[in-house]
Amino acid sequence: GAVVSQHPSWVICKSGTSVKIECRSLDFQATTMFWYRQFPKQSLMLMATSNEGSKATYEQGVEKDKFLINHASLTLSTLTVTSAHPEDSSFYICSGIPGTDTQYFGPGTRLTVL
Amino acid sequence: GESVGLHLPTLSVQEGDNSIINCAYSNSASDYFIWYKQESGKGPQFIIDIRSNMDKRQGQRVTVLLNKTVKHLSLQIAATQPGDSAVYFCAENTGYSTLTFGKGTMLLVSP
Repeated sequence: GAVVSQHPSWVICKSGTSVKIECRSLDFQATTMFWYRQFPKQSLMLMATSNEGSKATYEQGVEKDKFLINHASLTLSTLTVTSAHPEDSSFYICSGIPGTDTQYFGPGTRLTVL
Repeated sequence: GESVGLHLPTLSVQEGDNSIINCAYSNSASDYFIWYKQESGKGPQFIIDIRSNMDKRQGQRVTVLLNKTVKHLSLQIAATQPGDSAVYFCAENTGYSTLTFGKGTMLLVSP
């Protein structure tokens, strides 16, 4: 299967600071990547669809000014959580599509905001 | 925000048993379905997929069944092993490669 990496794997930050999470496709080019968040014992919720070279498409209820997405190359998408608050603490997961429909996921990033 | 006190449906089996995990999907127009396995603290791992023009697909120790009439999907794991313990999610392709995930089922395999 296709390999997706994320960095960092975990991060702790102070309230009010910004945090950047990187998502890389290691063995395929991804014109489209997806960002999800997951709370404990819950399912994955799609936040946004990241398209290389264009603006991301955000799901309803997700603040685009708070969760900045940049997909500057075919192998890298970044999610920046701006002015993070404790309620933003969550598990953030990205995915990419190497072929047609199947999404392959990264290992996730655990964000804790103090 | 984060919810407190949620419990995933749990299936407990003995090592060597066959496991069946069920999923109801919502969109009758969905044409592609995937099962993912998620271990604690990790991202979802692809297990098997099926398109809507099929009703059964087999992989290594796993079989997915699709019943479009009742919008039901199941994952069968043969000879379940302790390493199969994880949360299993079904996901449906609702258009433009976008996936909607089910609530998940926790599989616990005891030796």
